[in-house]
Amino acid sequence: AQSVTQPDIHITVSEGASLELRCNYSYGATPYLFWYVQSPGQGLQLLLKYFSGDTLVQGIKGFEAEFKRSQSSFNLRKPSVHWSDAAEYFCAVGGNTNAGKSTFGDGTTLTVKP
Amino acid sequence: KAGVTQTPRYLIKTRGQQVTLSCSPISGHRSVSWYQQTPGQGLQFLFEYFSETQRNKGNFPGRFSGRQFSNSRSEMNVSTLELGDSALYLCASSLGLAGQGVYEQYFGPGTRLTVT
Repeated sequence: AQSVTQPDIHITVSEGASLELRCNYSYGATPYLFWYVQSPGQGLQLLLKYFSGDTLVQGIKGFEAEFKRSQSSFNLRKPSVHWSDAAEYFCAVGGNTNAGKSTFGDGTTLTVKP
Repeated sequence: KAGVTQTPRYLIKTRGQQVTLSCSPISGHRSVSWYQQTPGQGLQFLFEYFSETQRNKGNFPGRFSGRQFSNSRSEMNVSTLELGDSALYLCASSLGLAGQGVYEQYFGPGTRLTVT
């Protein structure tokens, strides 16, 4: 069975500070990994994805994530957070054997202090 | 390209009624997935349709059903509504080409269903 754990329910950072959101996954085969962001009352927007190849992937809005197979992790990072980054962030895993089905973590809510 | 659209955006229903939600995927996308989002259970996968066939199904009761039309538009239906069905229902589309793995999913804004 596939699963995703986001250990941090809520994170607060100061504007301009760096950010790292943690994600651990469990998947029996080659995982496809995603990070999404959701603003209140909105759908999910894809930030970045990992399918294969380079383990450091770049996404939109200055985000990047690093895939570490040995640690079953796919942590999201941003060097300098902006107030507009305040939102809820979801990590998700999918795979070739379950096309069209992603399993999501419970999300991490990011608050940005001025 | 236009994004994923969902109608209606908001819906209020009474227990015991049924409801139909609609999703139009991005042009060219043949896979449509549905998810339920609640504060207590998070994002849970309902089912996925590809080329008018249900390809994957989550662990929801039979009151939840869906279908996909030849133009890839999809509907989901919930019969005999319960208070616990109150949620944000999200639709996602992807290329989802058979045998070629999971492509990234693009989400619509969701339909907020309130059951009273």
